[in-house]
Amino acid sequence: ETGVTQTPRHLVMGMTNKKSLKCEQHLGHNAMYWYKQSAKKPLELMFVYNFKEQTENNSVPSRFSPECPNSSHLFLHLHTLQPEDSALYLCASSQDAGQNYGYTFGSGTRLTVV
Amino acid sequence: RKEVEQDPGPFNVPEGATVAFNCTYSNSASQSFFWYRQDCRKEPKLLMSVYSSGNEDGRFTAQLNRASQYISLLIRDSKLSDSATYLCVVNGLTGGGNKLTFGTGTQLKVEL
Repeated sequence: ETGVTQTPRHLVMGMTNKKSLKCEQHLGHNAMYWYKQSAKKPLELMFVYNFKEQTENNSVPSRFSPECPNSSHLFLHLHTLQPEDSALYLCASSQDAGQNYGYTFGSGTRLTVV
Repeated sequence: RKEVEQDPGPFNVPEGATVAFNCTYSNSASQSFFWYRQDCRKEPKLLMSVYSSGNEDGRFTAQLNRASQYISLLIRDSKLSDSATYLCVVNGLTGGGNKLTFGTGTQLKVEL
């Protein structure tokens, strides 16, 4: 257990479905991140939240919608996804986004879009 | 040029061998550097930070060469349990704050 919990672990959804990924951290961190990991590609940063404020949106399509109600919780709302969106979605947290800390990752949600 | 570049491997080595991985990065303004380890179908986990003076943690030694913009990881006396993908990670400041950029990883397979 890393202190960052992601649910669900696996998700299969159709292209017309709406689903949400959840991330919760118990580390007292103030920054949270969503990353996408596709096969044979490096982790891609999607969103950064620092003290509940979104500070970076890395040109992510609008079919991905993040929500950060407080410093401990982060959601990724999904709608009308494409098969190429199938990937491992990783949540991470760090002390805050303004310093050079390493990140703690959750176990990820493996998403399959059919 | 990729922001962080690594040889994907795989590196197949016998148990007890010494193996070294290199990584290059493109942003000369990068501020901090890490090696992460990722096991198959698991999340990345921080292995060690990398400092200009070089740092060692047991069998693992990390080095940073800012002038040449490369980072290395040396693993001595390899164990079967060292089999994993090793991710080179570079941290730089963006307009939104701290941002980690990951390499694609180097796969290590330690064999009997």
